[in-house]
Amino acid sequence: EIVLTQSPGTLPLSPGERATLSCRASQSVDSSYLAWYQQKPGQAPRLLIHGTSSRATGIPDRFSGSGSGTDFTLTISRLEPEDFAVYYCQHFGGSPPYSFGQGTKLEIK
Amino acid sequence: EVQLVESGGGLVQPGGSLRLSCAASGFIFSSYSMTWVRQAPGKGLEWVSYISSSSSTIYYADSVKGRFTISRDNAKNSLYLQMNSLGAEDTAVYFCARERASARFDPWGQGTLVTVSS
Repeated sequence: EIVLTQSPGTLPLSPGERATLSCRASQSVDSSYLAWYQQKPGQAPRLLIHGTSSRATGIPDRFSGSGSGTDFTLTISRLEPEDFAVYYCQHFGGSPPYSFGQGTKLEIK
Repeated sequence: EVQLVESGGGLVQPGGSLRLSCAASGFIFSSYSMTWVRQAPGKGLEWVSYISSSSSTIYYADSVKGRFTISRDNAKNSLYLQMNSLGAEDTAVYFCARERASARFDPWGQGTLVTVSS
């Protein structure tokens, strides 16, 4: 089983700052199958990044993804007020075939 | 517009059953694999089940295997999740999502709440 561990659990930052969120896999994974989602309270998750670094349709370019092997990063270059939310990484592969990280809550400092 | 709308959630007693539905529109439903993901109150996302476009391949999380059954009706553009032997640990919002290339989930429905309680 591939376990995804996200850090930090909570990240307090201010609008305009840079956010760096980490997702670490328990074993090396195929970066083609690493995605990031944003979830706001009371809403469904929204796809941000797929294939480690490809932005989904309509996602602003302040969101970027990178990484390989076991270490992956979601970066938000300049935080906007609407970016404060919970972020999840997700992977496909292994058994069970899909896994999510436990989430990082990005909160206003 | 691509849209997924879940229904069928509600309050059910422990040991009971419930059938969730997900109505799809705005895309060729029969061409896409689909998945169910759940989220317990205040918790993170948990993948539940997957079904391929033709129903030929199905996967379940260990936590629901033997109790839940995923199915689809491509003629009705609908996805289903039959949930039996429900326990308190199944209390969650259940989301359906379309799977696209690279196993990404996009979009998601708004979710339907299942509460298991006596």
